[in-house]
Amino acid sequence: DGGITQSPKYLFRKEGQNVTLSCEQNLNHDAMYWYRQDPGQGLRLIYYSQIVNDFQKGDIAEGYSVSREKKESFPLTVTSAQKNPTAFYLCASRRQSHSPLHFGNGTRLTVT
Amino acid sequence: GQQVMQIPQYQHVQEGEDFTTYCNSSTTLSNIQWYKQRPGGHPVFLIQLVKSGEVKKQKRLTFQFGEAKKNSSLHITATQTTDVGTYFCAGAYPPGTSYDKVIFGPGTSLSVIP
Repeated sequence: DGGITQSPKYLFRKEGQNVTLSCEQNLNHDAMYWYRQDPGQGLRLIYYSQIVNDFQKGDIAEGYSVSREKKESFPLTVTSAQKNPTAFYLCASRRQSHSPLHFGNGTRLTVT
Repeated sequence: GQQVMQIPQYQHVQEGEDFTTYCNSSTTLSNIQWYKQRPGGHPVFLIQLVKSGEVKKQKRLTFQFGEAKKNSSLHITATQTTDVGTYFCAGAYPPGTSYDKVIFGPGTSLSVIP
């Protein structure tokens, strides 16, 4: 079955540590996205990538970094510079512009 | 920058009552999509509207796209407990304005009282 896999489902880190969230898709989609969701709030765009080796900042990119070395993979690194990293992180992909977004199951990151 | 607003933030209805959520963009949209997120889950695509004034129906759900392509609404007739969740609109912007950027509204959380 095709889909988007995010791992791990739950992640705990100490403050000051960088952490990388995995996102892999086997849907052969060109575009991939990272969103952050805080309790009771909507989805805020962190980064997105339309093609391999290219990505753009979203609305809240500060303290995050990404790479897109392969079409299937779009890992997100939450750096120690991110002031409030505890959140639910959702990765999504879509085949092309104007196509629906397909979401992974998300990673819940807790930083203490 | 582009913003998508959505109201109300929360809605509690008695089962069988109707429900409507409204979505507004600060700038003209290329298209708008609607998603539903069940508690503890991830957003799932419901529908996409592309044309000015477009209306689409899915059983008890009716989706509208405004004439100016800056607003949209989702109406649920005779809500059921299975409708519980958060409904998000998501706007995509025309070429030349961060073309592939998809901006979500804050969502409307629907509770249905049996």
